[in-house]
Amino acid sequence: EPEVTQTPSHQVTQMGQEVILRCVPISNHLYFYWYRQILGQKVEFLVSFYNNEISEKSEIFDDQFSVERPDGSNFTLKIRSTKLEDSAMYFCASSKVETQYFGPGTRLLVL
Amino acid sequence: EDQVTQSPEALRLQEGESSSLNCSYTVSGLRGLFWYRQDPGKGPEFLFTLYSAGEEKEKERLKATLTKKESFLHITAPKPEDSATYLCAVQEIGNDYKLSFGAGTTVTVRA
Repeated sequence: EPEVTQTPSHQVTQMGQEVILRCVPISNHLYFYWYRQILGQKVEFLVSFYNNEISEKSEIFDDQFSVERPDGSNFTLKIRSTKLEDSAMYFCASSKVETQYFGPGTRLLVL
Repeated sequence: EDQVTQSPEALRLQEGESSSLNCSYTVSGLRGLFWYRQDPGKGPEFLFTLYSAGEEKEKERLKATLTKKESFLHITAPKPEDSATYLCAVQEIGNDYKLSFGAGTTVTVRA
């Protein structure tokens, strides 16, 4: 059964550093998403991506965040200058239409 | 204002003791309501999509139902492997395919 995969599974970085989180969505899906979950809190929407452009983004997704689909299989989230409050689990998801399938997540720790 | 409210926050069940989880939602137009299961440190695992009031979906010991204001996830004769956090999420018409999640109900089933 096709799955969404994410790398790395864990990332530790220093405040102010740039990180890139990678995702391989399910191959025939058209919509791609990033969500985050701060420890003990709800899953929060960050951004959706369709047809090589952002289709919607949340207030959290400010100028320090960017997304890219650099080739036919990968989907990346870049955080330019990490802050302590960026520490969270980051989930990638993909969908054909409404139903989204999530990856296992990247646990990001900013020190 | 929260769009999705789940109750109870936590539920402890004896193996075989059936129960129900509640998800109340407020959206101007519902495209879909989704149930996911999340194990600790993992990504949400898709369970069900419900589109309209009166709809029901079943999978093994789980059954999801939908009304115009809420959804229920019924767990029949649970087993310890049903222990997880169950997440409810909604998609609103006009909001792309973004999911808005509730805080979840953590279910613990004791043998």
